[in-house]
Amino acid sequence: EAQVTQNPRYLITVTGKKLTVTCSQNMNHEYMSWYRQDPGLGLRQIYYSMNVEVTDKGDVPEGYKVSRKEKRNFPLILESPSPNQTSLYFCASSPSGGNTGELFFGEGSRLTVL
Amino acid sequence: GENVEQHPSTLSVQEGDSAVIKCTYSDSASNYFPWYKQELGKRPQLIIDIRSNVGEKKDQRIAVTLNKTAKHFSLHITETQPEDSAVYFCAAKRGPAATDKLIFGTGTRLQVFP
Repeated sequence: EAQVTQNPRYLITVTGKKLTVTCSQNMNHEYMSWYRQDPGLGLRQIYYSMNVEVTDKGDVPEGYKVSRKEKRNFPLILESPSPNQTSLYFCASSPSGGNTGELFFGEGSRLTVL
Repeated sequence: GENVEQHPSTLSVQEGDSAVIKCTYSDSASNYFPWYKQELGKRPQLIIDIRSNVGEKKDQRIAVTLNKTAKHFSLHITETQPEDSAVYFCAAKRGPAATDKLIFGTGTRLQVFP
């Protein structure tokens, strides 16, 4: 089954404790991206990657890091989480050569930083 | 910078009535306008999209209209059903390729009452 898988789905952590949210897709998509969803603000892009070893900042990259060592994986790293990073996070992928631009989202990871 | 405004933020309708969600974009170079539906606790999923060379597109009970001159586009749902209850996001980008940046609206929470 074609899918984007995120882990963990739910996480409660404390300020300053490094964490990683993993994202993996099995559709051989070149493009991957991370979004955060906050009430009243919609979906805001954090980082994206056009292909392996190619990453770039989105609209709200502060406090986050990413890596793209393999085509299928695109982890989101919070080196020192703060309460304002409490949010619902979505990973998404898309074929770069597709003619619809459809984003395929993971199921989301709800993060709470105390 | 580019942005997409979406209204209303919440919308309540009686089952069987129509629902309309409106979006306005700022980047006049935008040419591709997808709509995503996010059911409660689920991931966003593409439900319909429209390109700038088309003024209207229909798919069963949903339709999108586009006015490029006014830079706005709308989602129309007819004969609403309880399963239409969800958050709807409009978005805009310059083209359908993944390399084109996708700007999301802030979302509309639609509630359909039986």
